[in-house]
This record gives sequence, C-alpha cells and structure tokens, in this order.
Amino acid sequence: SQTIHQWPATLVQPVGSPLSLECTVEGTSNPNLYWYRQAAGRGLQLLFYSVGIGQISSEVPQNLSASRPQDRQFILSSKKLLLSDSGFYLCAWSVQGVGSNQPQHFGDGTRLSIL
Amino acid sequence: GEDVEQSLFLSVREGDSSVINCTYTDSSSTYLYWYKQEPGAGLQLLTYIFSNMDMKQDQRLTVLLNKKDKHLSLRIADTQTGDSAIYFCAESSVDSGNTGKLIFGQGTTLQVKP
Repeated sequence: SQTIHQWPATLVQPVGSPLSLECTVEGTSNPNLYWYRQAAGRGLQLLFYSVGIGQISSEVPQNLSASRPQDRQFILSSKKLLLSDSGFYLCAWSVQGVGSNQPQHFGDGTRLSIL
Repeated sequence: GEDVEQSLFLSVREGDSSVINCTYTDSSSTYLYWYKQEPGAGLQLLTYIFSNMDMKQDQRLTVLLNKKDKHLSLRIADTQTGDSAIYFCAESSVDSGNTGKLIFGQGTTLQVKP
C-alpha cells in the first residue's frame, strides 16, 4: 500500500532563517506531487505541483520554492522566511492519469510558526 | 475560472443527520470528492462520486449529485461527536490533463453538540 510521510511535524523558525520541508511517498511510482498551505485552519492554497522529476509548476508568486530531486521526494524550501510564511503545510500525491479517478492523498502536515 | 463554494459552518446535535452542501462551476468535472480534516491533521479522503452518478451511499455517508444545478451534498446519518471536523468538497476536471489538480472548496466546519 502507498504511504506519504512529511517531516517535521512542527517547526518554529525565526524570521530570515532558511526552510526545508520534506515529503516522501512510498509504494507507487511517478506520482503527481503537491504542496499546499493552509492558513488558520481554513481553505487550501496550492503552492506547487510536480508531474515528474525536476518538473515544478508554481501556482502563486511567493517566497518559497520547491524541488523534486527524486521520483518520490518533494521538498519545499525558502532562503529567508517571512512572518507571512507561517501556516500549516500539506504535501499530497496522486496517481498520474487523464480522465480517471485521481484523488489526492495527504500527509499529516507540518505546522510552521515564524517568530 | 473554476470555483467550488461551501458554507463555512454547520452545527448539529449528536444523533441528528448533517447535510453539507457544495456548488461548483466547472461543467467538465469528472469526479467530485469529499475530504475530512480533523484538528491538526491532514485531509482524509471520505468518499467520491463520478459525475455520471446521482447518488452514492457508503455506510453512514450519502453523496447526492445534481449535475444540472452543479450541486453536491454530503449527508452524515446519526452524526457523532467524532464527526466534528472540517469537510472539504473538491472537483477534478478533464482540463486538468495529467496534473491531477483538484479544485477545493473553503471547507465547512461541522460542530456536533452532545
């Protein structure tokens, strides 16, 4: 069966420090991968998605970047964190396919607090 | 562009039925999903319905789809305190290609009072 892991679960960082959040998927190959941010327990904002190694699409201009160095690894980074980067970050994956049932499956999230 | 809308809050008594509603705009939607998010956790896929179906039942959950009105609902029978969570409606579209992108609603917070 497929599993998705995110770490760390909780992170407290000072303004201006760098960031690296990691997400890995097991039990599937060539998944679509996604990074979302959720502010104050509300709606999801899609930040990045990837359909393959090295292929990253950005949905919104921001202070963050994403990379996919391996097929099942997705990393969210920042060189200098801003207060507005605080939030709950969720990684998700789905099976690639067109016109088929493609639910996204989510990790447990990382709670990021910027001081 | 595509949009998915949900009411933000619903409060029910334990044992009652809950009905969470969702409207969407993309007429090319293929699948529609319901997710549950408990406090501090990720989203859990509850159920889904294909766009050529009207209804799907899974134990205490019933999904109704009115494709003409682009209206989706999730009924939870015999609601329990453990059902308290945020519920997200989401749609996929043939326009998404192979990206698998979903359009999510803002989520409905369900409060179950004992």
